[in-house]
Amino acid sequence: AQKVTQAQTEISVVEKEDVTLDCVYETRDTTYYLFWYKQPPSGELVFLIRRNSFDEQNEISGRYSWNFQKSTSSFNFTITASQVVDSAVYFCALSEAGANSKLTFGKGITLSVRP
Amino acid sequence: DSGVTQTPKHLITATGQRVTLRCSPRSGDLSVYWYQQSLDQGLQFLIHYYNGEERAKGNILERFSAQQFPDLHSELNLSSLELGDSALYFCASSVVEGGLDTQYFGPGTRLTVL
Repeated sequence: AQKVTQAQTEISVVEKEDVTLDCVYETRDTTYYLFWYKQPPSGELVFLIRRNSFDEQNEISGRYSWNFQKSTSSFNFTITASQVVDSAVYFCALSEAGANSKLTFGKGITLSVRP
Repeated sequence: DSGVTQTPKHLITATGQRVTLRCSPRSGDLSVYWYQQSLDQGLQFLIHYYNGEERAKGNILERFSAQQFPDLHSELNLSSLELGDSALYFCASSVVEGGLDTQYFGPGTRLTVL
C-alpha cells in the first residue's frame, strides 16, 4: 500500500524567509511518481511538479525547488524568499507506475506567509 | 485555469437527498478521476474512468456512483446523503505525456448536507 506523510501541519514564516515543506513516502513499487499540488484559499488544486522515481535530479523553477532523495524516501519542497501569495495548503502525492493511476495524498501543510 | 470544469460550484441540500455533480475534462483528456476532500479524511480517491469505462475504485461508498459519457464528461451521483458527505468534491482529468500521467484538477464542488 502507498502512503504519504507530511509531518508538518502548519508553518508560519515572515515574507522573504525560505521555507522547506517535507514529504516522506512509502511504496513497494520500484517505479512511481511524486507530485506537489498547491491549494490556495480559493480552493482549487494547482499542479506544481511531477517527479519520476528513476530521475533523482533536483529541480528548480523560479523560487521553487524540489529535492528528491530515494535513499530516504523523501521529496521535499523549498520556497525561497517566500511571498504572501505563497500562503496556501501544499499537498505531496504519490502514484504508482503506468498511466492513469490514482493519487495518494498526504494530509497537507498549511503555509502562512506574513508580511 | 486548469481547463477542467465542474458544476455546480456550491450545492446545499438536506439529508436523504440525491445530487449529481458534473465534470468536463480538458479537451483531449480521456481519463476522469473523482476525489473527495473532507476535514476528517483529507483528499481521497473515489473512482477513475477512462474513455467511458470504469478503471479503478477507491474509497467510494455504495451510495455513490459515477459514469463517463461518450462526450467524456463525467457525473458523480451521491444518494441518501448524510451529514458526513459534506465535503469538497474534485474531479481531475489527465494527460499522458511521454507515457507519464499528470492529473489536472477542476475547481471543485462544495457540497453541504444539512
